[in-house]
Amino acid sequence: GQSLEQPSEVTAVEGAIVQINCTYQTSGFYGLSWYQQHDGGAPTFLSYNALDGLEETGRFSSFLSRSDSYGYLLLQELQMKDSASYFCAVLSSYKLIFGSGTRLLVRP
Amino acid sequence: GAVVSQHPSWVICKSGTSVKIECRSLDFQATTMFWYRQFPKQSLMLMATSNEGSKATYEQGVEKDKFLINHASLTLSTLTVTSAHPEDSSFYICSARVPVTSGSTDTQYFGPGTRLTVL
Repeated sequence: GQSLEQPSEVTAVEGAIVQINCTYQTSGFYGLSWYQQHDGGAPTFLSYNALDGLEETGRFSSFLSRSDSYGYLLLQELQMKDSASYFCAVLSSYKLIFGSGTRLLVRP
Repeated sequence: GAVVSQHPSWVICKSGTSVKIECRSLDFQATTMFWYRQFPKQSLMLMATSNEGSKATYEQGVEKDKFLINHASLTLSTLTVTSAHPEDSSFYICSARVPVTSGSTDTQYFGPGTRLTVL
């Protein structure tokens, strides 16, 4: 079977740093992606890791450890607009398999 | 980034009718598009993979005769929900796979989604 695990909810204050973890078990693995989705909107692409290590894009960073089947999304200098759902997704063959999503609430 | 559009953005229909949703890649050609369904507060569930010029590949548990997919051109895929019922009410999202070139990543760009309500 295929499964991705991530926390259902995370709360943090404005300006803080938050890490959203994702562990996965899939039959095929090409890479791990992260998507952001605001209520009522469509997912927007944040990052993609095909190799081990850290990828940084502005305030967001994503990490992958293929040997541990684990990755995380790191959000720094949190802003109110970062309140959204965050999904990790495994690229298995050409298909994306999504995790259940983590709802991030940023408080003032 | 690449732009994907969907039409309509929302639709309300009566039970038993059919609804067609269009997904277009606006600034690139997509040989592969995907259709997802998302219920409130849940994850995106892949329904089917749409390949230009060939039959769609459906995920397990998705009725191919109920959810008709056509990918007649490199920029357009359509999903038709036939004989819709209230349980088909959901957020339908398409994505288009950006062709992979040297140095690029395998990425999908999502359309804005279509909210279907079946009365």
